[in-house]
Amino acid sequence: RKEVEQDPGPFNVPEGATVAFNCTYSNSASQSFFWYRQDCRKEPKLLMSVYSSGNEDGRFTAQLNRASQYISLLIRDSKLSDSATYLCVVRGTYKYIFGTGTRLKVLA
Amino acid sequence: EADIYQTPRYLVIGTGKKITLECSQTMGHDKMYWYQQDPGMELHLIHYSYGVNSTEKGDLSSESTVSRIRTEHFPLTLESARPSHTSQYLCASTGGVEAFFGQGTRLTVV
Repeated sequence: RKEVEQDPGPFNVPEGATVAFNCTYSNSASQSFFWYRQDCRKEPKLLMSVYSSGNEDGRFTAQLNRASQYISLLIRDSKLSDSATYLCVVRGTYKYIFGTGTRLKVLA
Repeated sequence: EADIYQTPRYLVIGTGKKITLECSQTMGHDKMYWYQQDPGMELHLIHYSYGVNSTEKGDLSSESTVSRIRTEHFPLTLESARPSHTSQYLCASTGGVEAFFGQGTRLTVV
């Protein structure tokens, strides 16, 4: 079983749609949680950190459920520029473990 | 913008050659990482370092080696490149929370 598992993609959604990504992790000792965005042939960049209390950044909302070892990302009012691969990332003591990523394509 | 740099960005090299991929950061981060990523696939951790003179192998077995003689520098070396080493290599560093990535080196071994 992979340490970090994500929804399989790709997700093809129309502009303006709301889309949700899910992620589960296996190591209950994991300390920090993130969503990264990776554009085609580019390096990953931090989208947002994820906290148990939930956090929101504009159209993006992230949630962590430590008891279920589950992380989510909600994107509202999707834009064409949101098309990318979204990576769920879990950090232990020293290592960052990446999920396989979920590809999102927003269609005009 | 993250101050982490990788060189070269692209490299095409013949089988059997020795190569070193460079990674430098100016943020004073102790922890640095090398990931390997094939097109459309996930990132795999191949090496990491807690600080100067510390290196550890990652989760994916790799024939490469690394060194950490200076805080800011974390080069990766392949003694004898093979076509199976063709991939993108991404370097990252962290000061404790967020990991910052370099732009990557796209390696092709022919």
